[in-house]
Amino acid sequence: EVQLVQAGVEVKKPGESLKISCQASGYSFTEYWIGWVRQMPGKGLEWMGNIYPDDSETRNSPSFHGQVTISADKSIRTAYLQWSTLKASDTAVYYCARLIYGALGNPDYFDVWGQGTLVIVSS
Amino acid sequence: EIVLTQSPATLVLSPGERATLSCRASESVSKYLAWYQQKPGQAPRLLIYDASTRPTGIPARFSGSGSGTDFTLTISNLEPEDFAVYFCQQRANLWTFGQGTKVEIK
Repeated sequence: EVQLVQAGVEVKKPGESLKISCQASGYSFTEYWIGWVRQMPGKGLEWMGNIYPDDSETRNSPSFHGQVTISADKSIRTAYLQWSTLKASDTAVYYCARLIYGALGNPDYFDVWGQGTLVIVSS
Repeated sequence: EIVLTQSPATLVLSPGERATLSCRASESVSKYLAWYQQKPGQAPRLLIYDASTRPTGIPARFSGSGSGTDFTLTISNLEPEDFAVYFCQQRANLWTFGQGTKVEIK
């Protein structure tokens, strides 16, 4: 079974750093891009960026550029999303998701999702 | 950035009825559009990709159509488990999502 496993909840204070993870199983980790999607409380989905674990090539949303770092460690089949300085406005659920290839063979759509990590940033 | 506008914001229907959801793109996305379903407390689920292709395991009552800037997700014969929020997503230029349509029980 293809799975992406994420930790449930992280509680941090403003100004702290954080690295959340997404561990993959059930498929060839290095053959598919992994994306990160933010969902703020009661709001819609926002694409943050993608990474290709085989060579760590990334594609980042201009909206999140410089705010977060996306990385991966293919030896342990894990992708990461990292903040150096958290703000209260970073409070949200963060999903990782695998991208499948569309009609032209590009990584287009998110077919398998993790259960999400709720990040709470509060003093 | 390509903006996706979904309408209506909320659709109130009864089980057994047909739901028609719209997604309009600010510029052409060809057929590079997907639809997702999200239930409270759950991750989104891919329903349709490349505008009209259903992944394995998605019921046939879900269908997608459209190309260019106008797309439709149709749910024929609504089942109780179909009441949820639906998002569209484009892939023609980076990745963006629509703001969602909530399908509520009448």
